[in-house]
Amino acid sequence: GENVEQHPSTLSVQEGDSAVIKCTYSDSASNYFPWYKQELGKRPQLIIDIRSNVGEKKDQRIAVTLNKTAKHFSLHITETQPEDSAVYFCAASSWAGASKIIFGSGTRLSIRP
Amino acid sequence: EAGVVQSPRYKIIEKKQPVAFWCNPISGHNTLYWYRQNLGQGPELLIRYENEEAVDDSQLPKDRFSAERLKGVDSTLKIQPAELGDSAVYLCASSLGAEWTGSSYEQYFGPGTRLTVT
Repeated sequence: GENVEQHPSTLSVQEGDSAVIKCTYSDSASNYFPWYKQELGKRPQLIIDIRSNVGEKKDQRIAVTLNKTAKHFSLHITETQPEDSAVYFCAASSWAGASKIIFGSGTRLSIRP
Repeated sequence: EAGVVQSPRYKIIEKKQPVAFWCNPISGHNTLYWYRQNLGQGPELLIRYENEEAVDDSQLPKDRFSAERLKGVDSTLKIQPAELGDSAVYLCASSLGAEWTGSSYEQYFGPGTRLTVT
């Protein structure tokens, strides 16, 4: 069945450095790829998303890239700050007919002061 | 604007007991989702509603789980009887709709109901 693989499962970076989280998906019909941030005990919150008609999107320190041919997309956080510490989830979905949205297993990002 | 509301926030029950969760989506959001999130994992979609119609319930364990969305607004998710493995956080989310326009895809999550089955 459809699957979304996310790596790494844990990531620790020095404050001010960049963090990169990668996801691959299996359903070629997927055309929408959101990223969620979930702090401990709180709800997932959308931080950025990308649709299949673009290859890159940026919002301040956060950027997402998409390679549809290779079926992978990545989250890039630059100039990391302590408040970036959280669990990040990628997801892939298709809105053509019966929609399937599948989440990755999450990456726990820790920012070292 | 009020966000997605869920109740209760926490529930502890013994196995074999029934339990129900309630969700009130953001006003005007046609699409409603129920997810289950186990510790250390991503949310797993259980069911998706477009208005009052369940359009994707392939992941819902239908022998013990049921859901409804009367009048296309509030929704309830029920488990009967609960099993130890049902312990998880149950998240409700809503979005404007599934059309390929604007921000209609963006899902807003509720705070979740943490269920503990003993």
